[in-house]
Amino acid sequence: QVQLVESGGGVVQPGRSLRLSCAGSGYIFSNHGMQWVRQAPGKGLEWVALIWYDGTRENYADSVKGRFTISRDVSRNTLYLQMNSLRAEDTAVYYCGRDVSINGFEFWGQGTLVTVSS
Amino acid sequence: QSALTQPASVSGSPGQSITISCTGTSSDVGAYNYVSWYQQHSGKAPKLMIYDVSNRPSGVSYRFSGSKSGNTASLTISGLQAEDEADYYCSSYTNANAVVFGGGTNLAVL
Repeated sequence: QVQLVESGGGVVQPGRSLRLSCAGSGYIFSNHGMQWVRQAPGKGLEWVALIWYDGTRENYADSVKGRFTISRDVSRNTLYLQMNSLRAEDTAVYYCGRDVSINGFEFWGQGTLVTVSS
Repeated sequence: QSALTQPASVSGSPGQSITISCTGTSSDVGAYNYVSWYQQHSGKAPKLMIYDVSNRPSGVSYRFSGSKSGNTASLTISGLQAEDEADYYCSSYTNANAVVFGGGTNLAVL
């Protein structure tokens, strides 16, 4: 069955970097687009970034553009989110999701908590 | 990338039907048939309930249905059950090649 497992979250100081990973299994990784979505404590869902099924395009929310980079390693069946210049407002649970359509993400990881604090 | 507009809360009794609206603009909801709906129980990952306006993923109950008219999409839940109590979020692809979520609607089953 399809499974997504995130890792890499933790506590980091403002201005520092962190890389999240999302390991996929149970499907052909290279056939699907994926995204990152985050949820600040007590808040709603916020879209962060997506990478197209063929890996040729990436899109970002304005709030992270220029600071975050989404990428994937098909050989490792792993999606990444490189987060630079972190801010307190980036504190959230980060979820990865696998698509069933351009904007329909059917499978999700368990989430990984990123806390940006000095 | 302004958030889509959803009511903060809705409620219904078991067996009843409710509808949650999701209002966007001609740049997102009105631009494409790429509206999706997610259910989220507290502390859990989101669950896809509807995609491409009205398609249900495998395993999602027929009681959940979606529609769209102009810049407003809707999620209807019929035959409300206690387990439907959760937060619901709409989402749309935009003509800026981005994705935008609504603020979320808390559904209470009274």
